[in-house]
Amino acid sequence: SYVLTQPPSVSVAPGKTATITCGGDNIGSKSVHWCQQKPGQAPVLVIYYDSDRPSGIPERFSGSNSGNTATLIINRVEAGDEADYYCQVWDYNNDHPVFGTGTKLTVL
Amino acid sequence: EVQLVESGGGLIQPGGSLRLSCAASGFTVYNNYMAWVRQAPGKGLEWVSFIYAGLTTYYADSVKGRFTISRDNSKNTLYLQMDSLRAEDTAVYFCARAHRRSQWERSYYFDYWGQGIPVTVSS
Repeated sequence: SYVLTQPPSVSVAPGKTATITCGGDNIGSKSVHWCQQKPGQAPVLVIYYDSDRPSGIPERFSGSNSGNTATLIINRVEAGDEADYYCQVWDYNNDHPVFGTGTKLTVL
Repeated sequence: EVQLVESGGGLIQPGGSLRLSCAASGFTVYNNYMAWVRQAPGKGLEWVSFIYAGLTTYYADSVKGRFTISRDNSKNTLYLQMDSLRAEDTAVYFCARAHRRSQWERSYYFDYWGQGIPVTVSS
């Protein structure tokens, strides 16, 4: 089964840039989606198809995907961005979704 | 406005059964791909099951043979029948809509989620 690996935690000061990675075998050949989950809440989609933003998601959120690593970038980080972030792909071979291990973003 | 509202969770003994419901509004479940995703305490997201518009169903190996996903088009509701429950099934269960931007895309993403319903399997 396809495996997506994320760093358990990332810390960043307010106003700085947060970078969250998602590693997978040749992940650049797949479409990567990202969701944000705050404590006690449902996940919220923040990036889909590598770099598209749903309506209502700030332009500070962006994504890229190449080789074996996909990246979620959050510019000018705010306290309200503190949350868990999960990457997600579709496993074409087994026809089901795969979630990354999740990254806890802490705003210092 | 799209909404997904889960119900039916609670405390159940090992070996018992529960049926979760997910009432949808703002779209129809019968022509969308719908999924159940769970999150054990302090853990990440885990896909459980999904149902295609054409009624094809898929299950994670951890629940295959014990869980059954279904839908009632007249009630616009998704269900998850959970039998032979185990302690490791303890989690918050979310229903979610899986979407893709065109019919030529193979990859789906989850654009709408319910608020989640806790299920605790314990004696």
